[in-house]
Amino acid sequence: AQRVTQPEKLLSVFKGAPVELKCNYSYSGSPELFWYVQYSRQRLQLLLRHISRESIKGFTADLNKGETSFHLKKPFAQEEDSAMYYCALSPLGAGTASKLTFGTGTRLQVTL
Amino acid sequence: SAVISQKPSRDICQRGTSLTIQCQVDSQVTMMFWYRQQPGQSLTLIATANQGSEATYESGFVIDKFPISRPNLTFSTLTVSNMSPEDSSIYLCSVTGGFGTDTQYFGPGTRLTVL
Repeated sequence: AQRVTQPEKLLSVFKGAPVELKCNYSYSGSPELFWYVQYSRQRLQLLLRHISRESIKGFTADLNKGETSFHLKKPFAQEEDSAMYYCALSPLGAGTASKLTFGTGTRLQVTL
Repeated sequence: SAVISQKPSRDICQRGTSLTIQCQVDSQVTMMFWYRQQPGQSLTLIATANQGSEATYESGFVIDKFPISRPNLTFSTLTVSNMSPEDSSIYLCSVTGGFGTDTQYFGPGTRLTVL
């Protein structure tokens, strides 16, 4: 069975400080990893996926197969980054049939 | 990306009753999924809604409790049957396979409270 673990329920950082949201996974096959974000009063939306290797809104995430991790990082936090962040996994290559397994989420709070 | 709407956005229901949630997409999509998010919990996949055939349920979810319909490529319903307070959750539909991408897009959710 696949599992996604986000150890922190709440992460509070100061504006301008670096951010790292942790995500670890367990899966017997090759995974595709995602980060979804939910801003206040908005729907869940995709932030980034590991196969795209993009930086979105200054966030990056690298898949580390050795450590089975997919931590989300940003060098300088902004107030507008405050949101709920979910790490998710699906089988690699599932394409449109990708059934996502979600972590429990981490609330990022950026304060002045 | 698609415009995904859900009805109702929220409801308060009595135990023992049933509620049907609708998910409408403004363009044809390949896959539609239904998730549940219980208070303080993560999202859990209930089932994949298959167009023209029975839905595929995940472990722990059964058709009698969560009947699903998908009559076409833009619409699906999830019914929560014989509700109990434990069914109080946010129910979300998601879609993939439209608009030239396999990214999964989510609806706004339906917040259900069962008394």
